[in-house]
Amino acid sequence: AQTVTQSQPEMSVQEAETVTLSCTYDTSENNYYLFWYKQPPSRQMILVIRQEAYKQQNATENRFSVNFQKAAKSFSLKISDSQLGDTAMYFCAFLTNRDDKIIFGKGTRLHILP
Amino acid sequence: ETGVTQSPTHLIKTRGQQVTLRCSSQSGHNTVSWYQQALGQGPQFIFQYYREEENGRGNFPPRFSGLQFPNYSSELNVNALELDDSALYLCASSLVGAGETQYFGPGTRLLVL
Repeated sequence: AQTVTQSQPEMSVQEAETVTLSCTYDTSENNYYLFWYKQPPSRQMILVIRQEAYKQQNATENRFSVNFQKAAKSFSLKISDSQLGDTAMYFCAFLTNRDDKIIFGKGTRLHILP
Repeated sequence: ETGVTQSPTHLIKTRGQQVTLRCSSQSGHNTVSWYQQALGQGPQFIFQYYREEENGRGNFPPRFSGLQFPNYSSELNVNALELDDSALYLCASSLVGAGETQYFGPGTRLLVL
């Protein structure tokens, strides 16, 4: 079975600090895609960053970067210079070439404190 | 570019009733996926539609059904509502193809009493 595990239900950091959210996944597939989605209180699920498993280089999007360790099946998200607007639920998610259903973790609730 | 839209935003139904939720896909996208997100949980895949046909289904009973229209918009229908159907229902659109990113709408919050 394919699963995504986020071991941190909730985290709080001060504004401008760096925070890392953890994610591990399990699959027997070799070709897949990993995502971090952000869901603020407005409920809209917003794509933060995407990583193709065949790419060794870690994806970055401005203040957001990932540490993708394929052998360890680990996909953590680092948020640098955190801002109040980063307060949200963050979901790690996984998609294979075999089908188009995204498998989500249970999420990490992140609070950025002023 | 128009994003994914969903209607209604909120809905209250009673057990046993039927409900229809609607989704308009992002401009240029031909595939629509539906997810159920229970409170405090990650979204769970219900099904996906491509070219007006179901293109994959999650572990949901047949009383969850859908449609896709020629303009790629979609409906999710749930019959014989149960209390556990109370959730946020998310629609996501994408292009067809392996690994295409899915873009989500704001969701419909359904409460079943």
